[in-house]
Amino acid sequence: EVQLVQSGAEVKKPGESLKISCKGSGYSFPTYWLAWVRQMPGKGLEWMGIIYPGDSDSRYSPSFQGQVTISADESMTTAYLQWSSLKASDTAMYYCARVLKDYALLDAFDIWGQGTMVTVSS
Amino acid sequence: EIVLTQSPGTLSLSPGERATLSCRASQSVNSRYFAWYQQRPGQAPRLLIYGTSNRATGIPDRFSGSGSGTDFTLTISRLEPEDFAVYYCQQYASSPRTFGQGTKVEIK
Repeated sequence: EVQLVQSGAEVKKPGESLKISCKGSGYSFPTYWLAWVRQMPGKGLEWMGIIYPGDSDSRYSPSFQGQVTISADESMTTAYLQWSSLKASDTAMYYCARVLKDYALLDAFDIWGQGTMVTVSS
Repeated sequence: EIVLTQSPGTLSLSPGERATLSCRASQSVNSRYFAWYQQRPGQAPRLLIYGTSNRATGIPDRFSGSGSGTDFTLTISRLEPEDFAVYYCQQYASSPRTFGQGTKVEIK
């Protein structure tokens, strides 16, 4: 079964760092672009960025460039989203999502992780 | 950045009725790069339609997509109880990929 399994919910304080994960299984992890999508409480979906695990080529939305870092470990079949200094406004559900076809950068997302809730509060 | 505007914001319908959801883009989008997603409460989004009109694996044929240029439509021919959810359009032709703000389909 093709699936993405994300790490569990996190509660952090402003200024703290965080790295959440998304483990892929059941498919060729290196050859499918994998994206991160934010959903703030009660709001819509926002595309943050995307990575090709095979060579770690990554692209960011201008809204998130410099705010987060997307990375991947091919040997662990895991992608990561990290913050160096969290803000209260980072409170949201974060989803990882895989593209439909291998090698395709311009593609819809057919497999989604279950989401990781990040709460940032003092 | 391509802005996607969905209408209506909320659609109140009864089971068995037809639902028509619209998505308008701020500039023309290649129809190969347009998708629709469904999100039920407490769940991750699910891909319904890609390439404007192609149903994703396992999606019932009551869901259909159409459109071109700046205007795209998702139609649900006969609403089932499990179809009451929020629906998002997305363009993936250019970066950043963008989503519409969502249309909630609620039970009347």
